[in-house]
Amino acid sequence: QKEVEQNSGPLSVPEGAIASLNCTYSDRGSQSFFWYRQYSGKSPELIMSIYSNGDKEDGRFTAQLNKASQYVSLLIRDSQPSDSATYLCAAYNAGNMLTFGGGTRLMVKP
Amino acid sequence: ETGVTQTPRHLVMGMTNKKSLKCEQHLGHNAMYWYKQSAKKPLELMFVYSLEERVENNSVPSRFSPECPNSSHLFLHLHTLQPEDSALYLCASSQRPGEETQYFGPGTRLLVL
Repeated sequence: QKEVEQNSGPLSVPEGAIASLNCTYSDRGSQSFFWYRQYSGKSPELIMSIYSNGDKEDGRFTAQLNKASQYVSLLIRDSQPSDSATYLCAAYNAGNMLTFGGGTRLMVKP
Repeated sequence: ETGVTQTPRHLVMGMTNKKSLKCEQHLGHNAMYWYKQSAKKPLELMFVYSLEERVENNSVPSRFSPECPNSSHLFLHLHTLQPEDSALYLCASSQRPGEETQYFGPGTRLLVL
């Protein structure tokens, strides 16, 4: 079974802090990785994608990928209360289908 | 707004009812997907359609029956569901299957009594 694992949280950080969200995956054939944000009662929204080892930055968001360790992370700098949501990690497997993790609930407290 | 719409947004049905969920994408995409999202479980892929042909059926019970009459519309026909089928059903689309960026609709919240 190809799996993507995330800590369900909640992860609570104060406003202005860095939030660090982590994800591991089991399928070594996965080449592409994605972070989706899902607000309560809403559908997932793509916020970051990463394909190569290392860091990828987009505004306050940085995705990090380590294929050797099968580890993906998302850093959110200067966290805002509006960042409070569930963050879903997803991996694109060799069958060309997205496999999602269970999501980490982030709470940013003012 | 992602360009993917779903109706109804909420649905309550009994175990003997028959109902259908509808999805429409306005993005010119060729692939459409049904996902199920249950509480405390990962998002589960149910079906994938490419150019109106089903290319993936992820071991979904036969009480769920998809239909894709054209590349813009996708239906999920429901019959004799069980209470454990209560979940958020999400439709998504992408330019093609294997296209990594998928756009999700708002979902249909289904409650089976």
